[in-house]
Amino acid sequence: TQLLEQSPQFLSIQEGENLTVYCNSSSVFSSLQWYRQEPGEGPVLLVTVVTGGEVKKLKRLTFQFGDARKDSSLHITAAQPGDTGLYLCAGAPSGAGSYQLTFGKGTKLSVIP
Amino acid sequence: EPEVTQTPSHQVTQMGQEVILRCVPISNHLYFYWYRQILGQKVEFLVSFYNNEISEKSEIFDDQFSVERPDGSNFTLKIRSTKLEDSAMYFCASKVRTGLYGYTFGSGTRLTVV
Repeated sequence: TQLLEQSPQFLSIQEGENLTVYCNSSSVFSSLQWYRQEPGEGPVLLVTVVTGGEVKKLKRLTFQFGDARKDSSLHITAAQPGDTGLYLCAGAPSGAGSYQLTFGKGTKLSVIP
Repeated sequence: EPEVTQTPSHQVTQMGQEVILRCVPISNHLYFYWYRQILGQKVEFLVSFYNNEISEKSEIFDDQFSVERPDGSNFTLKIRSTKLEDSAMYFCASKVRTGLYGYTFGSGTRLTVV
């Protein structure tokens, strides 16, 4: 069973601060996706990273996939209250034919104005 | 922006009753999924569906569960005899093709079994 551990579980910061959340596993993933989930809603895709070492930027969000494709990080610069939410990482297993996602438990981010 | 639509948004059912959760995936998507999220826990894979058949299923997806695409647009999840532990948010998701692409999730159906 492939597991994804996210840290921290909870993060409360002031508006304007920077933050990094982490997603770690002992397993190799063919791709890793980051989602954001609002209460009572489904996850919304932010980014997919595929290549080891890959870095993708989405405005103030920077996503990195580890060289060994076992871990990933999400860095937010100058956080805003609108960034508040649950951030989930999800990995697709390495190997042919399976694209079911394994999700982490998430990091709940609160950005205080 | 195209959406995955799920109905109902909330369903309350008695233990032992059958429920059908409905989903309308994005029209040009070919791969369909059901995931569930028990309150406070992580999102878990249930089943994937392509070309009118199940392509993968998890250990959770036992004989009490079934999926079908009855009319080429709707995608349904049936739970034959609900148990208390089936209470969860059920998410439908779709994607346009296989491979390393992200999913579009619906807003979910909150199933409460009493």
